[in-house]
Amino acid sequence: DAKTTQPNSMESNEEEPVHLPCNHSTISGTDYIHWYRQLPSQGPEYVIHGLTSNVNNRMASLAIAEDRKSSTLILHRATLRDAAVYYCILRDDTNAGKSTFGDGTTLTVKP
Amino acid sequence: DTAVSQTPKYLVTQMGNDKSIKCEQNLGHDTMYWYKQDSKKFLKIMFSYNNKELIINETVPNRFSPKSPDKAHLNLHINSLELGDSAVYFCASSHRGSGNTIYFGEGSWLTVV
Repeated sequence: DAKTTQPNSMESNEEEPVHLPCNHSTISGTDYIHWYRQLPSQGPEYVIHGLTSNVNNRMASLAIAEDRKSSTLILHRATLRDAAVYYCILRDDTNAGKSTFGDGTTLTVKP
Repeated sequence: DTAVSQTPKYLVTQMGNDKSIKCEQNLGHDTMYWYKQDSKKFLKIMFSYNNKELIINETVPNRFSPKSPDKAHLNLHINSLELGDSAVYFCASSHRGSGNTIYFGEGSWLTVV
């Protein structure tokens, strides 16, 4: 499986935008870029995913580099409830294979 | 409605016991998974079933035996529990197409004493 690399931790102030980077230089053509987050004492939850184009949903935006070797999850206005571990993983849509979750980025939001 | 539900949520048991964790998904997905998250918070896949067929079996001790009676259920049975089995176990499901998004359960906190 293609692997991803993320910073271990990031900090943000409340109500400011947050840009969480992810590198996936060995991404294959059929891999989708997925982001999940895990709040304390909860299971990971889906945030957003994309293939080539930038994506927006009610939770966040996903900016994908033109060569697809990196992406950025954008939280437009961080709230205290966004404090979590954010995982960037690659998922092949053509099979039910495994995806490797790395250490993720621990986001701290300061009031 | 809970999409992926697993029981029990908390389980404390003694070494050497046998225990099971049950999982059900009502999303109509064709693939289900078990993940283990240890004290270091690393999330690692253990098993994956597609349409009741085992397709992924990571290097997990054979004391762990998954069972999928149907597409909507994937149970995890653990024999002869050891201290190192203490962890949070997450059940998940996904469906091919539309990016193959994974939906996780809330986790089962297993403590072996």
